[in-house]
Amino acid sequence: ILNVEQSPQSLHVQEGDSTNFTCSFPSSNFYALHWYRWETAKSPEALFVMTLNGDEKKKGRISATLNTKEGYSYLYIKGSQPEDSATYLCALNPRTGNQFYFGTGTSLTVIP
Amino acid sequence: GAGVSQSPSNKVTEKGKDVELRCDPISGHTALYWYRQSLGQGLEFLIYFQGNSAPDKSGLPSDRFSAERTGGSVSTLTIQRTQQEDSAVYLCASSLALGGLGNEKLFFGSGTQLSVL
Repeated sequence: ILNVEQSPQSLHVQEGDSTNFTCSFPSSNFYALHWYRWETAKSPEALFVMTLNGDEKKKGRISATLNTKEGYSYLYIKGSQPEDSATYLCALNPRTGNQFYFGTGTSLTVIP
Repeated sequence: GAGVSQSPSNKVTEKGKDVELRCDPISGHTALYWYRQSLGQGLEFLIYFQGNSAPDKSGLPSDRFSAERTGGSVSTLTIQRTQQEDSAVYLCASSLALGGLGNEKLFFGSGTQLSVL
């Protein structure tokens, strides 16, 4: 079992603020690191799939980086909006198996 | 349909009863995963399928849990003699291929909220 950790557990920010949170993992022996957004009453939705050390991905105001050597990924949201409120999950797909190990998520609330 | 479909969306059952949860993945997706999220916990892996085969059943919590997939499509997760600790959101996800074979993202269903009274 791989222990994927996310911090902080929850976050409240004002609309317009930029924010970031962390996913850390113990191994560099993996195929990919995924980020998902899970809005209340909806299905988790993929944001990014990252594979290489130094990977940077961007989707609108959201971006992510990957550092496999030190075992972390950052997710950044620039100019948070209320519709960004959701739980953000990261998941590791290790080379030792075909399942995904999920972190417990960061719950983001953007206050209008 | 266009997405992963799960049914029922909500299920309330009495302790000791059997329940069956259904997942209809995106057409053409060979990999299918079952996860659950108990209150206050993260996503817990249960089982995955490559086609109709489930090579790794180690995530199933007990022998009361079983799953099958037929025709490389629909999957059912069966819980026998349900217990209160089985109460959780059960999520199904599918992808074009297993995670290591192309780094395919997961497409999730909206889940089944199971409540065992």
